[in-house]
Order: sequence, then structure tokens, then C-alpha cells
Amino acid sequence: AQRVTQPEKLLSVFKGAPVELKCNYSYSGSPELFWYVQYSRQRLQLLLRHISRESIKGFTADLNKGETSFHLKKPFAQEEDSAMYYCALIRGSTLGRLYFGRGTQLTVWP
Amino acid sequence: DVKVTQSSRYLVKRTGEKVFLECVQDMDHENMFWYRQDPGLGLRLIYFSYDVKMKEKGDIPEGYSVSREKKERFSLILESASTNQTSMYLCASSSPGLSAELFFGSGTQLSVL
Repeated sequence: AQRVTQPEKLLSVFKGAPVELKCNYSYSGSPELFWYVQYSRQRLQLLLRHISRESIKGFTADLNKGETSFHLKKPFAQEEDSAMYYCALIRGSTLGRLYFGRGTQLTVWP
Repeated sequence: DVKVTQSSRYLVKRTGEKVFLECVQDMDHENMFWYRQDPGLGLRLIYFSYDVKMKEKGDIPEGYSVSREKKERFSLILESASTNQTSMYLCASSSPGLSAELFFGSGTQLSVL
């Protein structure tokens, strides 16, 4: 069963435009949600986690339990934001096992 | 700085060969994971381990096995490589806990001919 859904495989915006990468999850309990990012020729790395309620590189993500969503947003995209973004979820019972979405490739044009 | 090291960046093998992918982490993490990454399919978990000599199947364990004899090392074994196992393989490690960050290796691109 698909637990994390990222509906857009590809997303393109122009520099300075707002960007939103969508993520929906299916889990009836209290999930822990994350965004991971992979820049070209770099390792996959954590971008942010919902429990921290932090903004990293201008990105924020709010957990909406009613809509079961955890969309990633940035008000003004930069060219260096171009990367593959994965939404991921840990269920309460799985001791650190992450379930990943299929990823969204973001391209920010100059 | 956490280091997760995968022994090979690129590997080319023939159908039917036994293939070993090695992963070593230097942060004393209990958890280690093997994922495969395919375009359009995202990351799929093959196997994971919570402790030495312990292993759990992930979503796609068929055709794979693992070994964890030491805490820092987690090996993925393809018993008899097939062309549909051509993929990018990512190793990761983490501490226990719901919010523990996964640290990834740089990946091994395996081609099975």
C-alpha cells in the first residue's frame, strides 16, 4: 500500500517564483514526516522534519493531519534549489524505518 | 561528520554472478538499511537491520540477502544477479528513535549484463 504519495514527478518554476512540492500520506496514527533532498551528484540528505518546525534554506513544511498532507513550500525559488525531493514517513511502530514517496524532480529556471 | 561509505561507486556484473555490496558506517549507529533507487519508483527498502546479526525484510527482499556480523558493516548480497537488479543501491544508517535522521552513502550503480 502506498503510504506516501508525491503526485508530481516533475516540477518546473522560474527563479523567484513560489514553489510547493506536494506530499500526502496514509497512516491513521501519528506519523513523523520528513523531506529529504538529493542535489546533483550528491548524497541524499535530510532537509527538514516536521517535529522540528524549522525553516531550512527557506523551505518550510506544515503537517496538516486533516488533509494528511506535508507539502514543502518556499516563497522565492532559487536555481540552487533544483534537486530531487523525497517525502518520507516513519510510523509509530517501525523503529526508524522510513517509507519514501516516489520523489519530485524540481527544476528552477533562471 | 557521519560517514557512510559504500565500497564501490560503479559495478558491472554478469547475469548469474553472486554480487556483494558493502557498506560501512563510523557513527556507531544501531540501524542500517539497504534501498534501491529507480527513476519513477523512488526509494524502495530491500532489507534493514536494528542490531548485529539481526535483519528484517523490507518491501522488495526477493533475490537479495544481507549480512551484519559487525555493528558498523552491513552487506547486501545478490545471490544470482539478474538484469532487473540493475539499479542504484543506497545504504543508510541511523540511531534508534522516531525522529532519527538517516545518513546515506553515495550509492553504488550496479549494472547487470
